Amino acid sequence: GPKVLQIPSHQIIDMGQMVTLNCDPVSNHLYFYWYKQILGQQMEFLVNFYNGKVMEKSKLFKDQFSVERPDGSYFTLKIQPTALEDSAVYFCASSLAGNYAEQFFGPGTRLTVL
Amino acid sequence: GDSVTQTEGQVALSEEDFLTIHCNYSASGYPTLFWYVQYPGEGPQLLFRASRDKEKGSSRGFEATYDKGTTSFHLRKASVQESDSAVYYCALIPSSSFSKLVFGQGTSLSVVP
Repeated sequence: GPKVLQIPSHQIIDMGQMVTLNCDPVSNHLYFYWYKQILGQQMEFLVNFYNGKVMEKSKLFKDQFSVERPDGSYFTLKIQPTALEDSAVYFCASSLAGNYAEQFFGPGTRLTVL
Repeated sequence: GDSVTQTEGQVALSEEDFLTIHCNYSASGYPTLFWYVQYPGEGPQLLFRASRDKEKGSSRGFEATYDKGTTSFHLRKASVQESDSAVYYCALIPSSSFSKLVFGQGTSLSVVP
């Protein structure tokens, strides 16, 4: 089936540094998402993105977070500066349509903030 | 707020056993309900969804029925196989959103031959 890729699979950084997580969505998809899963906890929605704009975001999507997808390249999540509580697995997803459509998930990026 | 509760954190079965994973939700109106499955090293993938009361979703021998009266969407399979070992997530999209998935805690299923 359609595949979403995430780069890197693991990232270790020091608190206060900037990090960019990259997502290569399914090629014809138009809607993009980020979810966060802290170890042992449930996956939580961060943000969705369509047509160059954030459509919905949760309280977890702090001011230090930003997303973009310049001209069909990677869909990125940038955190600047990082904090210890940002340590988690971040899952990217994409879908062809918006309303209740099937979301295809990547394998996740494990981010460790020291 | 909207939430999903899965009561079983881990389930261990033998092949050909019957599987039930319980899922209850809290949300106003008629959320769309989903079951996702996650294999090691991969992201969650959709098993099936249901959007109306009494609607049954099914795929690969798994099934669940949307029950608004009991706010439940329990996952069942009559005869599990070792290849079904994975983490199963119940999730919903609230009627107030169009694509924000709210996940349960996940249930890790282990099936031994």
